[in-house]
Amino acid sequence: DIVMTQSPDSLAVSLGARATINCKSSQSVLYSSNNKNYLAWYQQKPGQPPKLLIYWASTRESGVPDRFSGSGSGTDFTLTISSLQAEDVAVYYCQQYYTPFTFGQGTKLEIK
Amino acid sequence: QITLKESGPTLVKPTQTLTLTCTFSGFSLSISGVGVGWIRQPPGKALEWLALIYWDDDKRYSPSLKSRLTVTKDTSKDQVVLTMTNMDPVDTGTYYCVHRVRDGYITYWGQGTRVTISS
Repeated sequence: DIVMTQSPDSLAVSLGARATINCKSSQSVLYSSNNKNYLAWYQQKPGQPPKLLIYWASTRESGVPDRFSGSGSGTDFTLTISSLQAEDVAVYYCQQYYTPFTFGQGTKLEIK
Repeated sequence: QITLKESGPTLVKPTQTLTLTCTFSGFSLSISGVGVGWIRQPPGKALEWLALIYWDDDKRYSPSLKSRLTVTKDTSKDQVVLTMTNMDPVDTGTYYCVHRVRDGYITYWGQGTRVTISS
């Protein structure tokens, strides 16, 4: 199994400031056959299913604000929120979707 | 428009078998590459993938739960059924069904169904 480890477990950021969440996989999720990273990021608010934000490590899903961006390759990935808004308070999960799925433990993002 | 909805019991006794049904619309599970999966989430905890079934009846299971899980599909009813045996209180949580295209990310989730395991 591929193990996904996120850091930090929780994060408090001021409104308008940058938030950065890291995700590390126990083995590479970059596959040479298509040169794609099988890594997604989801946002989950209380009482709701997760919402897809980013796929292929850096492609923003349609309708997701451009303050959300993903980066990284291989085993190390980052989700960045460039200017935190109140509605961004949520738990964020990374996920590898090649074998078929494993999720990180989640990062709880709050307002400082 | 793709939608998925989970249904099943809200309360199950320990050692019993849980049966959940995912009823979907907006796609066909007879189309090449399409799959439906199950993911669960204990209260306040992380997401855990359970099972997947594809259009060609290929089935995949979480290695840690494989002995307890069975997933089947009924293409004529647009339904996928998950059974999980020998339920325990640690299996309490919200169970989601999801849509997937082969090797792809998950875009569509059901709203989830909450299951409590208690005597």
